[in-house]
Amino acid sequence: ETGVTQSPTHLIKTRGQQVTLRCSSQSGHNTVSWYQQALGQGPQFIFQYYREEENGRGNFPPRFSGLQFPNYSSELNVNALELDDSALYLCASSPTPNTEAFFGQGTRLTVV
Amino acid sequence: EDKVVQSPLSLVVHEGDTVTLNCSYEVTNFRSLLWYKQEKKAPTFLFMLTSSGIEKKSGRLSSILDKKELFSILNITATQTGDSAVYLCAKDSNYQLIWGAGTKLIIKP
Repeated sequence: ETGVTQSPTHLIKTRGQQVTLRCSSQSGHNTVSWYQQALGQGPQFIFQYYREEENGRGNFPPRFSGLQFPNYSSELNVNALELDDSALYLCASSPTPNTEAFFGQGTRLTVV
Repeated sequence: EDKVVQSPLSLVVHEGDTVTLNCSYEVTNFRSLLWYKQEKKAPTFLFMLTSSGIEKKSGRLSSILDKKELFSILNITATQTGDSAVYLCAKDSNYQLIWGAGTKLIIKP
């Protein structure tokens, strides 16, 4: 039990739709990172938020966006869904950007 | 491109065997090397390595880092069926973790 919760656990969307995934971090964790993990691969870094500001971004297009709120919750938004967006989306929280990260259970997104 | 490479990609052994998993990385922006175990969804933290040659140990698991040759190994002794999982290593590169593809370990009874 990491104290990081994600919702929903599973989601099916149609190509072209928009989706919002949610993450609730541990209290006091000012940093949240989002990762995309395709089947059989390691996670890929999407972006990181620190104190409600984007702190770094991986190689993902602008239709992937995020928000972090003062209550230690955060969102990952994906617009114009594509079939290749089907993956497990993981959020990880930590007290500061460069300390051990604790992962949520992930959201399995299927785009059809 | 900043990469982390793990080998082997998959491994099947019998209960009681010892396994060694490998992880190599590129030196760019290196801060630490982390090992995680992923069974169903969330990766769970195993080790963080920052210094060369200092073994970290937790029960039957141990890990060591070689910063000169840019690799790390994860050893599991006296394996049990509960050790079956994907083992991921990741390089802490400033604000992000760069992940390997993982080693899928299957322990047969």
